[in-house]
Amino acid sequence: GAVVSQHPSRVICKSGTSVKIECRSLDFQATTMFWYRQFPKKSLMLMATSNEGSKATYEQGVEKDKFLINHASLTLSTLTVTSAHPEDSSFYICSADDRGYGYTFGSGTRLTVV
Amino acid sequence: GESVGLHLPTLSVQEGDNSIINCAYSNSASDYFIWYKQESGKGPQFIIDIRSNMDKRQGQRVTVLLNKTVKHLSLQIAATQPGDSAVYFCAENIGGKSTFGDGTTLTVKP
Repeated sequence: GAVVSQHPSRVICKSGTSVKIECRSLDFQATTMFWYRQFPKKSLMLMATSNEGSKATYEQGVEKDKFLINHASLTLSTLTVTSAHPEDSSFYICSADDRGYGYTFGSGTRLTVV
Repeated sequence: GESVGLHLPTLSVQEGDNSIINCAYSNSASDYFIWYKQESGKGPQFIIDIRSNMDKRQGQRVTVLLNKTVKHLSLQIAATQPGDSAVYFCAENIGGKSTFGDGTTLTVKP
């Protein structure tokens, strides 16, 4: 089946630094990927839709200058958390549209900002 | 506005019993629903989906029922096993965007 790889799985960074998270579709091309955020014991919340070759579409309340999304190829989308602060600590998950067969999720990245 | 919710936050069942996890949705225009399983520290894992032109769909040990009249979705797990312990989310998907419910934590007792 379709596989979406997310890297890194865990990252700890200092407050004020930036962190890049990668989401790759390994065996299919994805023109659209989605980025979600999940707080402990909470549901997933859609942050943005990543579109290959064009700007990402952000959900209401998500700061596009803080959460930079780049979808430069059909198999890679990146999320960069800029000037990270402790309140950005969360579980970030991407998903990709598997050619209409469904939506496959990555394994997630746990970000801790100290 | 649209919302997707689950009836119970936790469910505890005996190993071997059947489990039923419920979900209510409010957007009558939703035409695609998905159940996901999430284990601790991992991303959601697709279990089964159903489109609005169906009222039942079966997979391996799992069945999803859709009642559009009352906007209700359920996931039935047959012969629940310890490995089924996880958080289960229902989601409605519109144009690729998944709106998730709050999740039900299923605990399987040996």
